[in-house]
Amino acid sequence: KQEVTQIPAALSVPEGENLVLNCSFTDSAIYNLQWFRQDPGKGLTSLLLIQSSQREQTSGRLNASLDKSSGRSTLYIAASQPGDSATYLCAVTNQAGTALIFGKGTTLSVSS
Amino acid sequence: KAGVTQTPRYLIKTRGQQVTLSCSPISGHRSVSWYQQTPGQGLQFLFEYFSETQRNKGNFPGRFSGRQFSNSRSEMNVSTLELGDSALYLCASSYSGNSYEQYFGPGTRLTVT
Repeated sequence: KQEVTQIPAALSVPEGENLVLNCSFTDSAIYNLQWFRQDPGKGLTSLLLIQSSQREQTSGRLNASLDKSSGRSTLYIAASQPGDSATYLCAVTNQAGTALIFGKGTTLSVSS
Repeated sequence: KAGVTQTPRYLIKTRGQQVTLSCSPISGHRSVSWYQQTPGQGLQFLFEYFSETQRNKGNFPGRFSGRQFSNSRSEMNVSTLELGDSALYLCASSYSGNSYEQYFGPGTRLTVT
């Protein structure tokens, strides 16, 4: 059974810092991995989608990497801003493609 | 392009009642999935519909059901509500399923008293 773990559960940094969020999964037979952002009480905003054949994806200040063999992904946020404060969730789709399996998220707080 | 919309945004129901939630996907998307989010369990998959057919189902009791219409709009129904059904219910749409990028709606916050 696929399990997704995100470490740390919470992170506080000062504005301007570069930071890395971690995601690990137990079954490397994934179809893709997606990073989301969730603001309190709101829905999920898709940040980056990495297909299983890809190693990384970039969007603006965000860079996500994927190492399927080790069951790991990282989300790198450059020059963090207070507006980046949110919960970041990673989710994998198994090769069966049945559903997104989510981690519990990392809650990021960026102080000005 | 309009995003995924969900109605209503907030609901308060009493134990034993039933509730219907609605989701309109992004235009052109044919797959709609539903997720339940609670503080304890996180995000859990309920079911996925594609072209009016339930294609996948999560591990939830039969009180949870859904359907999809020919215009890809979807509804989910929860019968005989329990206190534990209080949650944020999120709908996601994609072009054709989980191999494609998923786009989520704002959710419906259901409170059962």
